[in-house]
Amino acid sequence: SQTIHQWPATLVQPVGSPLSLECTVEGTSNPNLYWYRQAAGRGLQLLFYSVGIGQISSEVPQNLSASRPQDRQFILSSKKLLLSDSGFYLCAWSRGLAGGRNEQFFGPGTRLTVL
Amino acid sequence: AQSVTQPDIHITVSEGASLELRCNYSYGATPYLFWYVQSPGQGLQLLLKYFSGDTLVQGIKGFEAEFKRSQSSFNLRKPSVHWSDAAEYFCSVTGGGNKLTFGTGTQLKVEL
Repeated sequence: SQTIHQWPATLVQPVGSPLSLECTVEGTSNPNLYWYRQAAGRGLQLLFYSVGIGQISSEVPQNLSASRPQDRQFILSSKKLLLSDSGFYLCAWSRGLAGGRNEQFFGPGTRLTVL
Repeated sequence: AQSVTQPDIHITVSEGASLELRCNYSYGATPYLFWYVQSPGQGLQLLLKYFSGDTLVQGIKGFEAEFKRSQSSFNLRKPSVHWSDAAEYFCSVTGGGNKLTFGTGTQLKVEL
């Protein structure tokens, strides 16, 4: 079976510090990978998605970047955090199937607080 | 562009009562629809999905949803709510690409 891991679970960082959140998937190969940010009352905002190693699509211009150095590893980064980067970050994966029948499976999330 | 509307931000029901959470979508062709549930501080869990065929789909935890093309709706239902169903529920849609569009969620509170 497939599992998805995220770490850390919680993180408190000062403004201007760097960020690295990691997501890994086990039990599947060549998944699509996604980073979302969730703010209270605003649902899920797709930040980045990737259909393969080194292939990153950015959905929203922002202070964050993503990388996919290995097939089942997805990293969310920032060089200098802003207060507005606080939120709950979710990683998800889906099978790389054409035609849209791609339900997504979510990790446990990382709660980021920028002070 | 596709979109999802969940008109109810908060819903409160008594344990044992029936539940219906509303979801309306906007998409020009046949959509693929999903309902997810999120407990506080947790990730999202898939409850059920609709791709094609029978418009009434069954999911986990006793939930079901009905796809109504004429109303552009995909409402989630449960005949008898349990206290453990208290959570936030998200409806989402995709049109065949790699991306899901999510509604803003409905927070369910269950009164004992």
